[in-house]
Amino acid sequence: GAVVSQHPSWVICKSGTSVKIECRSLDFQATTMFWYRQFPKQSLMLMATSNEGSKATYEQGVEKDKFLINHASLTLSTLTVTSAHPEDSSFYICSANIPSGYEQYFGPGTRLTVT
Amino acid sequence: KQEVTQIPAALSVPEGENLVLNCSFTDSAIYNLQWFRQDPGKGLTSLLLIQSSQREQTSGRLNASLDKSSGRSTLYIAASQPGDSATYLCAVKGGGANSKLTFGKGITLSVRP
Repeated sequence: GAVVSQHPSWVICKSGTSVKIECRSLDFQATTMFWYRQFPKQSLMLMATSNEGSKATYEQGVEKDKFLINHASLTLSTLTVTSAHPEDSSFYICSANIPSGYEQYFGPGTRLTVT
Repeated sequence: KQEVTQIPAALSVPEGENLVLNCSFTDSAIYNLQWFRQDPGKGLTSLLLIQSSQREQTSGRLNASLDKSSGRSTLYIAASQPGDSATYLCAVKGGGANSKLTFGKGITLSVRP
């Protein structure tokens, strides 16, 4: 099946610094990737939809200047959390559509802790 | 706005029991519905996907059904095992192939040996 990877799997950073998370589709090209955020014991909340070669579409309430998304190639999307604060600590998960759009495949997630 | 509800939030059953996990959604104009499994601190594993034109899908001990008109789906797990303990998430995709998924909050299942 289609495989999506994320790097890093976990990261600890200090308040005020920026962190970049990578999402890669390993064996297929993904024109659309999605970034989700999950708080403990909560469901996944979509943050933004990332389309290759164009600007990401952010969900209402998500600060686009704080969560920078770049989808530079058909296999890579990045999420940069800028000037991170403790409230940004969360589990970030990306997913990618296979070309037909039939199904989404999810990465293993990145645990971000901001101290 | 699509809303997905999964009740109860948690369930504990003895090993060997057959069980049904329920999912309901408010907007019946869906493209497909997926059931996922999530282990603590891990990503999502897709279990079953049902297209809007389908009624059910089966994989091993799992069977998922979809009643689009009533906005309901069920995940049936036969002969539950301790290894089935996890959180099960239901998600619906909106009107197109590249539409977003809307997730329920999940049902945390514990299967007691």
